[in-house]
Amino acid sequence: AQSVTQPDIHITVSEGASLELRCNYSYGATPYLFWYVQSPGQGLQLLLKYFSGDTLVQGIKGFEAEFKRSQSSFNLRKPSVHWSDAAEYFCAVGAPGTASKLTFGTGTRLQVTL
Amino acid sequence: NAGVTQTPKFQVLKTGQSMTLQCAQDMNHEYMSWYRQDPGMGLRLIHYSVGAGITDQGEVPNGYNVSRSTTEDFPLRLLSAAPSQTSVYFCASRLRAAGQWNTEAFFGQGTRLTVV
Repeated sequence: AQSVTQPDIHITVSEGASLELRCNYSYGATPYLFWYVQSPGQGLQLLLKYFSGDTLVQGIKGFEAEFKRSQSSFNLRKPSVHWSDAAEYFCAVGAPGTASKLTFGTGTRLQVTL
Repeated sequence: NAGVTQTPKFQVLKTGQSMTLQCAQDMNHEYMSWYRQDPGMGLRLIHYSVGAGITDQGEVPNGYNVSRSTTEDFPLRLLSAAPSQTSVYFCASRLRAAGQWNTEAFFGQGTRLTVV
C-alpha cells in the first residue's frame, strides 16, 4: 500500500521569500502524485499533478514540483511567496492502473509574515 | 458546472442520532469517495465507489455506510453518531479517462459535523 509523509507540520516564511514544502512517498513503482491547497474553511484545490514524463511540473499560482525517483520525493516550490499563499498544503499519492484511492499526507500549514 | 456539491455545510448531532451527508456531482465521474479530515491526521478515506452499484471500504469505514444507486450521488450515512465522528467530511470525485485513473480528485466544500 502507498503512503505519504510530509515531515513539516508548520512552516513560516516571509513574503517574497522562496518556499519548499517536502513530500516523500512510499510505493513500489512510479505513482501518481498531487499537491493540493486548502484555505481555511474551504475544500481542496489542485495545485499540480505528476503522472509521467517531465519530472518538473508547473502548476497554478506560480507553484512547481519536482519528482525525484531516487529520493521518493515530490517537493513543492515557489520562488516568491505572497501573503495569499498562507494555507494548508497536502501531498497525495495514487497507484496507477487501478481504481485506486488517493492517499494524503498529514499536511503542512504555511504561515506568511509581512 | 456546479462540480461536487455537499449538503449540509454544518450539522450538530446528538450521540446516537442518525443522519445522511449528501454528495452530488455533475461531471459524470465514475469514481466518488468520502474522506474525513481531523487535525494532524490529513484526509482519511472512509468509503469509495468506482461506479453505480459498486462500493468498497477505505481505511476508516467503521460507523459509516454508503450506497451508489446513480452515477451522480454518493450519500454517506451515520447510523448511530458518536463523538469520535466529529470531523470535517469531504466528498470527492474522479474521472476515468481512457480506462485510466490518471486524473485528479475534485472536492466538495465539506461538511463540518459535531456530535455532542
